[in-house]
Amino acid sequence: GAGVSQSPSNKVTEKGKDVELRCDPISGHTALYWYRQSLGQGLEFLIYFQGNSAPDKSGLPSDRFSAERTGGSVSTLTIQRTQQEDSAVYLCASSRRAAGYEKLFFGSGTQLSVL
Amino acid sequence: DAKTTQPNSMESNEEEPVHLPCNHSTISGTDYIHWYRQLPSQGPEYVIHGLTSNVNNRMASLAIAEDRKSSTLILHRATLRDAAVYYCIPLGGTGANNLFFGTGTRLTVIP
Repeated sequence: GAGVSQSPSNKVTEKGKDVELRCDPISGHTALYWYRQSLGQGLEFLIYFQGNSAPDKSGLPSDRFSAERTGGSVSTLTIQRTQQEDSAVYLCASSRRAAGYEKLFFGSGTQLSVL
Repeated sequence: DAKTTQPNSMESNEEEPVHLPCNHSTISGTDYIHWYRQLPSQGPEYVIHGLTSNVNNRMASLAIAEDRKSSTLILHRATLRDAAVYYCIPLGGTGANNLFFGTGTRLTVIP
């Protein structure tokens, strides 16, 4: 079956603009995660959804960042008033459920460049 | 939080075994130890995971210390395609407390 799909693969925007990044998880996966990876750095946790529970937003770096997950499937990460420091690869992952024995499946990411 | 410590980088000759260590001394009793690797310009991919017993799959083996405070990913014969950044991460149930990946180990394979 299809893996985790992210779009767009690349996004170039101007400072101050809003951007939306999309993640299509694997069908049937109830847990969805967003990460950010700056050049040469590790993965920075942003937000996590599990089923119909309220998302854990503890990793969001500022109130300019928000995410939603509609119908327990597709998720959109929105960054308002983008800044140059937001430039990074944004990765989405999903798993069948949020349990330690479940594997995470990652998408290929969206490369965001803020000019 | 269950934080991890890994060497920043390691080198291996092609077709030799590689042992990648990870310390996770604050792991909780129900956390599974996961390993992922990230090839250049790709998202991370799953390698292996385990709870207490050593694990083997087609990609690698995972040796878990008896006290579970450390583990070692073993690539039995490194190939050039194994050159990647390897991350270990303890993963538990619900909650984001332990969803933090470290900076991983960059493995270089020398032909």
